[in-house]
Amino acid sequence: DAGVIQSPRHEVTEMGQEVTLRCKPISGHDYLFWYRQTMMRGLELLIYFNNNVPIDDSGMPEDRFSAKMPNASFSTLKIQPSEPRDSAVYFCASSLAWSSGNTIYFGEGSWLTVV
Amino acid sequence: SQQGEEDPQALSIQEGENATMNCSYKTSINNLQWYRQNSGRGLVHLILIRSNEREKHSGRLRVTLDTSKKSSSLLITASRAADTASYFCATDADGAGSYQLTFGKGTKLSVIP
Repeated sequence: DAGVIQSPRHEVTEMGQEVTLRCKPISGHDYLFWYRQTMMRGLELLIYFNNNVPIDDSGMPEDRFSAKMPNASFSTLKIQPSEPRDSAVYFCASSLAWSSGNTIYFGEGSWLTVV
Repeated sequence: SQQGEEDPQALSIQEGENATMNCSYKTSINNLQWYRQNSGRGLVHLILIRSNEREKHSGRLRVTLDTSKKSSSLLITASRAADTASYFCATDADGAGSYQLTFGKGTKLSVIP
């Protein structure tokens, strides 16, 4: 299996622009997660989906952030408009289940810089 | 909120030495997991220890869990340059009616050849 695939790997954009990050989870995994990693706050769960349905978006920082999962093999995280404080590494991850003892599999991340 | 906190934040050792990283957490857990993140890459699962286990081994990794002290340690024996990475503990708990997996901020390990 190719693992969780994210694109783009690196993105530099100007403040105010729209940013779209993409993710393809591991085939057969029912759960998809979006995390954000910064030096200050560490790894934060933004939102997760089960069978394409958003379950918990309490970690989404503001209305500028939105996430969709139109089908089992694709998800997007959109920031509109972007701000310099959104600069971070955004990880997509997937898992078979979301329960005790379960392992989640991370993509390589999308490194976002907003200038 | 961050559940697990790793200690130290950074660790530098010579190749061949052992590396010990610690994780403390605040509330009761079901399991504790350790992940590794190489520079510029995603996190990779290393090992899971259940709350009713005290010690677990996997190759050169040894994990201990002390639920009375709410702490865990990860020991990497005979370290190699390739072990250079950040190591995260993740606590696994049922909270607020839903399952939660919470990561610490990590220990950055540097193994000097």
